[in-house]
Amino acid sequence: DTGVSQDPRHKITKRGQNVTFRCDPISEHNRLYWYRQTLGQGPEFLTYFQNEAQLEKSRLLSDRFSAERPKGSFSTLEIQRTEQGDSAMYLCASSLRSGGAWETQYFGPGTRLLVL
Amino acid sequence: DQQVKQNSPSLSVQEGRISILNCDYTNSMFDYFLWYKKYPAEGPTFLISISSIKDKNEDGRFTVFLNKSAKHLSLHIVPSQPGDSAVYFCAASEWHNNNDMRFGAGTRLTVKP
Repeated sequence: DTGVSQDPRHKITKRGQNVTFRCDPISEHNRLYWYRQTLGQGPEFLTYFQNEAQLEKSRLLSDRFSAERPKGSFSTLEIQRTEQGDSAMYLCASSLRSGGAWETQYFGPGTRLLVL
Repeated sequence: DQQVKQNSPSLSVQEGRISILNCDYTNSMFDYFLWYKKYPAEGPTFLISISSIKDKNEDGRFTVFLNKSAKHLSLHIVPSQPGDSAVYFCAASEWHNNNDMRFGAGTRLTVKP
C-alpha cells in the first residue's frame, strides 16, 4: 500500500496559464476527494468522486476548475486561466465506501501551487 | 462560514506533560468529529474520531472529549512527546453526508524536550 500520491508536489505558474494536477488514490478506494488549503486555514472541500462519477461540487469550485476521474482510478484537477488567488495547497484524499460504516479519508501530500 | 473553529493557532508544552487542543463548532447537525495530524510536507493523517453518541473516545495516549451541549470538543495527549509536534486539525461532519467534512484552521503543537 503506497498511500495516496499527488503529482507534481510543487507548481509555479504565471497568471493566465492552465495547470493540471494528478492524484492517484489508494488502489481499492472507490471515493476520491479534492480539497484546497490556503495559508493559515484548514482544508476546504472542493469536489468528490465515487468511482468515475463526480457527485458533488463546492461553490468554491468556479467554472475555471474542472476535475475528472475517467476510469474510476486516478483523478486530475485542472485550473484554467489561473489567478493569484488560486495559490494554495491542493490536497487529494481517498476512502473506501462500504455499507454504513464511516469512511476515513486518507490524504496525499498535496500539490502546492504558486501563481505569479 | 467558519463552522469549525480552533481558536488557538499554537500551543507549546513540555515533554511528558498533557497537551489539550480545543475545537468549537456551530452546526448542530454535525454528529461525527475527527482529529487529523499534519507534519510539514505531508498530508493530514487521521488520528482519532468520536461519534455524537459518545462523550469520550480513547486510543493510547490520545483521548477526545465531546461536549454536545457546548458544541465543544478537545483532544488530550498524555504524555506529550516531541514527535507529537505537528499541526492538529479538528474536523466535523454529518454521518450520512460524510463526504463533506469541515475543518478548523488548525493548532500548531510544539512539544519541547
